[in-house]
Amino acid sequence: GAVVSQHPSWVICKSGTSVKIECRSLDFQATTMFWYRQFPKQSLMLMATSNEGSKATYEQGVEKDKFLINHASLTLSTLTVTSAHPEDSSFYICSATYNRGAETQYFGPGTRLLVL
Amino acid sequence: EDKVVQSPLSLVVHEGDTVTLNCSYEVTNFRSLLWYKQEKKAPTFLFMLTSSGIEKKSGRLSSILDKKELFSILNITATQTGDSAVYLCAVVKDQGAQKLVFGQGTRLTINP
Repeated sequence: GAVVSQHPSWVICKSGTSVKIECRSLDFQATTMFWYRQFPKQSLMLMATSNEGSKATYEQGVEKDKFLINHASLTLSTLTVTSAHPEDSSFYICSATYNRGAETQYFGPGTRLLVL
Repeated sequence: EDKVVQSPLSLVVHEGDTVTLNCSYEVTNFRSLLWYKQEKKAPTFLFMLTSSGIEKKSGRLSSILDKKELFSILNITATQTGDSAVYLCAVVKDQGAQKLVFGQGTRLTINP
């Protein structure tokens, strides 16, 4: 149980285009989903927390107009990187919890984004 | 500012050796500490530690938390090449939605 999927697993795009990444909880309802970014040989940095049906809460320094998060259902959250630039190239990972107070987060397999 | 610091950052040992990975933290509103194993993709959950002094075990892996000294250790005995991975320590903050603050990770390499 507690499987989280992400799509796509990797994407290459041109600078200036927008990229959408999907995160799905496959066998449970995820009231809360988290989006992280991981640069090479660094740890995971939380970008934002999203609760189903409400606006995402962004961490300090993360531009909400650049990284659009939508959590429209209990099994799906999307992250759209708008007008991507090479410095946005990174590994993006989502995680999900069963409920708002749950401590264990289940991670998706990640999406590797390369912006040329 | 919240900090989670892992040591060593990198460790190379031979198969069969025992390793100890360290995680110290300075975090407000501490709720629990989690250990994850990350191979090529997303982290997989290993342990959640909430109380001091209670060892959690899973096969060759074990972990313990010291809330007075603000650290945790992860032990792996009789290491195997499949244990090669990055081990991440994360602290859960109690702020409504549970936020994780991750350490930098320890890259463990097990040579045959």
